Amino acid sequence: DAKTTQPTSMDCAEGRAANLPCNHSTISGNEYVYWYRQIHSQGPQYIIHGLKNNETNEMASLIITEDRKSSTLILPHATLRDTAVYYCIVRGNTGNQFYFGTGTSLTVIP
Amino acid sequence: DAGVIQSPRHEVTEMGQEVTLRCKPISGHNSLFWYRQTMMRGLELLIYFNNNVPIDDSGMPEDRFSAKMPNASFSTLKIQPSEPRDSAVYFCASSLVGGLQETQYFGPGTRLLVL
Repeated sequence: DAKTTQPTSMDCAEGRAANLPCNHSTISGNEYVYWYRQIHSQGPQYIIHGLKNNETNEMASLIITEDRKSSTLILPHATLRDTAVYYCIVRGNTGNQFYFGTGTSLTVIP
Repeated sequence: DAGVIQSPRHEVTEMGQEVTLRCKPISGHNSLFWYRQTMMRGLELLIYFNNNVPIDDSGMPEDRFSAKMPNASFSTLKIQPSEPRDSAVYFCASSLVGGLQETQYFGPGTRLLVL
């Protein structure tokens, strides 16, 4: 599975959009991009995933560049409860394993 | 749906004792995963099962760790004997492999402290 690179930490003002970047320059054609988050003391929570098209659900939007070498997770209106560590994961659709890396620690500031 | 259920939520034991962690996956899911999370190593996969069969246990630290899945609705992770370096949060996750969304759903974790 392709490795991912994320900033260690980010801040975002409450009510503003949080844009979390992820680089995955070695991604191959059949590998999906997944995003999970982990709120302190809880298990990781699935947010969204995509292959090459942009995706949106009730939690977030996922923007994948045309060359698929990077992506951005967008939380449109960040709240204090969105403070968490966000993991960008790339894996093939035939495998079961997720490699979580170190993630981005997002702090939403009042 | 109750989600993935883990027990106990907290466990404090003394070095040398046997520890058994339990997991009930989401009904209908056919894959189950055990992860361990520490500050030093982050979240790492220990073992995963597909249709109750262990597929990859390369992440299991050593012979003191063992995992079983006797049926589709129950799995255990056992540490015998436990050591202080085993202190961590252990997560269980389940997924439905083969579906359009092979998403893993995590339980709340078991916080293990070995004294």
